[in-house]
Amino acid sequence: DVKVTQSSRYLVKRTGEKVFLECVQDMDHENMFWYRQDPGLGLRLIYFSYDVKMKEKGDIPEGYSVSREKKERFSLILESASTNQTSMYLCASSLTSGGDYEQYFGPGTRLTVT
Amino acid sequence: TQLLEQSPQFLSIQEGENLTVYCNSSSVFSSLQWYRQEPGEGPVLLVTVVTGGEVKKLKRLTFQFGDARKDSSLHITAAQPGDTGLYLCAGFYGNNRLAFGKGNQVVVIP
Repeated sequence: DVKVTQSSRYLVKRTGEKVFLECVQDMDHENMFWYRQDPGLGLRLIYFSYDVKMKEKGDIPEGYSVSREKKERFSLILESASTNQTSMYLCASSLTSGGDYEQYFGPGTRLTVT
Repeated sequence: TQLLEQSPQFLSIQEGENLTVYCNSSSVFSSLQWYRQEPGEGPVLLVTVVTGGEVKKLKRLTFQFGDARKDSSLHITAAQPGDTGLYLCAGFYGNNRLAFGKGNQVVVIP
C-alpha cells in the first residue's frame, strides 16, 4: 500500500521559532510537493522538487525553504515562524511520467503559530 | 497560475438526492483530475479525464470533461452519507504541477 507520511499531525510553535516539517514517501517517486491549505483559499503550492537536491518555487514560497537530500524525504522549513503561517500543510508525491500524474498526499500537519 | 473556479462552494443535500458540482477555467488543460478530501485526511484521487467530451463513471459518480477541455462536472446519483467530503478539481499545467480549485464542500444528511 502506497504511503506518504508526515512527521506530525499537530504542531504548536511560537513566533520566531524555526520549524521543520518532514515528509517521507515509500513509492520511489521522483516528484514531491508541499502545499498549504487554508479555508477559502484552497491548496496552494509552496515548493516542489523533481529530483534529489532539486527544487522549484511554487506560488507562495516566501517565508519557506525546502530540503531534499534523499529521494524519499522532503522537508519544509519555516526559518522564522509567523502567525500568518498558521495553516494545514500537506505533502504529496508523484511519478514524473506515466500519464495520470496522480499525486499521493500525506494526512497533513496542522501548524499553529502563536 | 492557472485558475480553476469551483461551484457551488458548499452544498448540503438529503441522502438519496442527486447533485452536480462544477469546475471551470478560462485555460485549456491537457487533463483534469478530481480528488476527494475527508476531514483530517489528505486528498485522494478519484479520476483523471483527458479527452474533451470524455465521460467517466465511478460507481454512482459521473465525471465529464468539457469539449474544449476548460471545464468539468461531477454528478453524484443517489448520494450517500459516505459521499460527504471536499471535492477538489485540479488541472495539470506542465512541469508535473497541478493547479487546484478551492473545492466543493458536499454534505449528505442521513
